[in-house]
Amino acid sequence: GENVEQHPSTLSVQEGDSAVIKCTYSDSASNYFPWYKQELGKGPQLIIDIRSNVGEKKDQRIAVTLNKTAKHFSLHITETQPEDSAVYFCAAATSGSARQLTFGSGTQLTVLP
Amino acid sequence: DSGVTQTPKHLITATGQRVTLRCSPRSGDLSVYWYQQSLDQGLQFLIQYYNGEERAKGNILERFSAQQFPDLHSELNLSSLELGDSALYFCASSVGQVDTDTQYFGPGTRLTVL
Repeated sequence: GENVEQHPSTLSVQEGDSAVIKCTYSDSASNYFPWYKQELGKGPQLIIDIRSNVGEKKDQRIAVTLNKTAKHFSLHITETQPEDSAVYFCAAATSGSARQLTFGSGTQLTVLP
Repeated sequence: DSGVTQTPKHLITATGQRVTLRCSPRSGDLSVYWYQQSLDQGLQFLIQYYNGEERAKGNILERFSAQQFPDLHSELNLSSLELGDSALYFCASSVGQVDTDTQYFGPGTRLTVL
């Protein structure tokens, strides 16, 4: 089955700096890669996703890049703000009727004011 | 707010007991997914239903079962509970169309087994 590895497990940045979180996946058939943000006591919230026919996607301060050859994808957050502090999860899924997500282990991002 | 609702928010019970967790998907969504989040295992897929039928199974124990009703809400039943079943249980829903599926998560049910 699919295996997703995520690094780093913790990340501290100064407010205004950029943050990068990286994930690798094992199943070359995976073609959907969402990123979720989880705040304390809440469920995961989708922040951005990318499909395998696209190499990069941006949404304001958030961007995701995908390298299918190397089987890795990354989340980039620019101009970080204290409210970006949360746990971020990457995930991977294959196409088909069952799109269960395989999650990475999460990154605790702390933005220092 | 994702539009996915889960009840109860918290559940405290004893070993050996049985509990039922409930999920209502977003309006229009036909697929429901259940995930377990624990400190040692992370977020793990348990089971998926689509329009009332089981679609996929993940790392779900035989003591656990689920169903999706005609009104599309879903229930996850956990029986013969053990201490290790203490975790957050999330429900997610999606439209169910293969190439456009985005899963939206509910707020979760925190289960504590004493």
